[in-house]
Order: sequence, then structure tokens, then C-alpha cells
Amino acid sequence: QVQLVQSGVEVKKPGASVKVSCKASGYTFSSYGISWVRQAPGQGLEWMGWISGSSGNTKYALNLQGRVTMTTDTSTSTGYMELRSLTSDDTAVYFCARRSLFSLDYWGQGTVVTVSS
Amino acid sequence: QSALTQPPSASGSPGQSVTISCTGTSSDVGGYNYVSWYQHHPGKAPRLIIYEVSKRPSGVPDRFSGSKSGNTASLAVSGLQADDEADYYCTSYGGSNDVIFGGGTKLTVL
Repeated sequence: QVQLVQSGVEVKKPGASVKVSCKASGYTFSSYGISWVRQAPGQGLEWMGWISGSSGNTKYALNLQGRVTMTTDTSTSTGYMELRSLTSDDTAVYFCARRSLFSLDYWGQGTVVTVSS
Repeated sequence: QSALTQPPSASGSPGQSVTISCTGTSSDVGGYNYVSWYQHHPGKAPRLIIYEVSKRPSGVPDRFSGSKSGNTASLAVSGLQADDEADYYCTSYGGSNDVIFGGGTKLTVL
């Protein structure tokens, strides 16, 4: 069965970077993209961008361009999302999801990232 | 691009039906048949319940249905059950390989 398993809780100081991983199993990794979505406390879901599982092509949300980098390691079927220059506004639960055309059909369990001094 | 517009809340009694709207523009909802809906119970991973406007993934009950008219998409939930109480989000392809989320609707089963 398709599974996406994310890395654990992160606590970072303002200005630092965080890198969250998302290990996929149960399907051919290169046949689908990986998308990243976050949810800040009390807020809705926010699309951050996605990366092709085959070509590595990326598309990032406009408000995150310059601070976010999404990568994949096809040898381990793992996607990564790195966010730099963190502020308290980046405190959120970060989800990875498998992109199937323009929907997200399987999701990881979420990774809590807290930014605090 | 602006977020798609959803009502912040909706409610219904068990067994009743409820419809949640999702309004965009001709550049997103109205321009493509790539509207999806997600159910999100707090503390859990979101779940895809509708894709490509009206298609249901395997395992999603037919009590959930989707439709679209012009720039507005809708999610209908019939035969409300307690477990349907959750947040619901719509998304649409917005061109240029972007996806736009709605602000979310909290569905309460009274």
C-alpha cells in the first residue's frame, strides 16, 4: 500500500533552516510528484509547491520563492523540503503528499516545526 | 493568485444533506476541470475525497459528491454522519503548474 512517512518534530530558532523528509513506499516513486502543504496554528492548508518525481522540476508558491527548496532522492524514494530564514510565521505542521495530476491522493502524517527563540 | 472562497462554516443534523461551495475565477475553477476536495480531521492527515470535479477515489462513500458550475464548485455530503465532522478544503489548478487552496469550511454535525 502507498505510504508516505515523514521525519520527526523540529524546533528551530529564528533565522535557522529546517529540512523535512518524506519517505515513500508502495509505488513507483518516479511516476508521481511530491507536493508540500503546511498548516499554521488555527489556519487553513497552504500549498507550498511541488517537485516531479522523475525530472526534479519544481514549482514553488510565490510567497516562498527564494526561501524554499524541494528535492528528491530517487535511490531512496525520499522527498525533502528545506525552508530557510525561518520566522515565527513558519511555525506549522508540514505535510508531504503524492501528486496525482492535480490532486494529492496520499499524504504523510505531518511534521511539526516550531520556530521559537 | 487569491485563495478560493469557501464559507467558514456549515452544519447539518445526522442524516441530512449539506453543500459546501468553493468560488474562484475563470483562471482557476472555471477554466479547468481540476477541482479537488479534501477532508481534514484535526491532528490527522488530510484525505482526498473528490478529484477532477466529481470523481471519487476508491473507498470514498458515494455520500460525497462534487460538481461545478461556472466559477463555483460544490461538495455535497448526504446522509450526514458524526464522523463527517471535519474541515473541508477545495483546491483548483490555477495554471502555470500552481495549485490554489480554498480557505476551508468547518462542517459541524449537530
